[in-house]
Amino acid sequence: QSVLTQPPSISAAPGQKVTISCSGSSSNIESMYLSWYRQVPGSAPQLLIYENNKRFSGIPDRFSGSKSGTSATLGITGLQTGDEAIYYCGTWDYSLNAHVFGTGTKVTVL
Amino acid sequence: QLQLQESGPGLVKPSETLSLTCTVSGGSISSSNYYGSWVRQPPGKGLEWVGSFYYDGNTYYSPSLKSRVTISVDTSKNQFSVKLNSVTAADTAVYYCTRHHTNSWFDYWGQGTLVTVSS
Repeated sequence: QSVLTQPPSISAAPGQKVTISCSGSSSNIESMYLSWYRQVPGSAPQLLIYENNKRFSGIPDRFSGSKSGTSATLGITGLQTGDEAIYYCGTWDYSLNAHVFGTGTKVTVL
Repeated sequence: QLQLQESGPGLVKPSETLSLTCTVSGGSISSSNYYGSWVRQPPGKGLEWVGSFYYDGNTYYSPSLKSRVTISVDTSKNQFSVKLNSVTAADTAVYYCTRHHTNSWFDYWGQGTLVTVSS
């Protein structure tokens, strides 16, 4: 089981804002850089946010990342049908000596 | 633009060795800022880091797979490979090769290849 916990699913109407949480511990989120990925079923994950809050090349500013203590958040504003996907957080855990991913959150646009 | 492509058998028998190769084009995976890594995803489940190699020759493996996995690199061919021995049905997954920054983010991914462990 993953050491990073995310809500299983979130849904919202087009144009709304959603926030996805990622909860960890002092050995991972609190002390290491966090990244966020989007995965459409059948495709490879795509990097959205790196180093906690930096948008990767080509990612619109509707996507934002933040971190506080042992938790992090991905925000998506102006929700679009194309944002339907599963979102994962990820970071290094120095206690496990391993890269870890979150449990994944499925975003549904109503 | 860096591109990664996985190749290898899609079906492996239980107790045998899974072997995949990642071919990198459009750049080199060997850099002081990046690792070459493997990540897998069982059907319908989340992402799991398998392991990584660094340009200095060091390798790093998932603690849960460490006893069975080996990652190697052929810089002359711009390829890196993963071998996982003594496979079981639990190793059935889509295997992705990816570039992994030293600050723990994965920026470029292959399309992934499904490996099924079955007799």
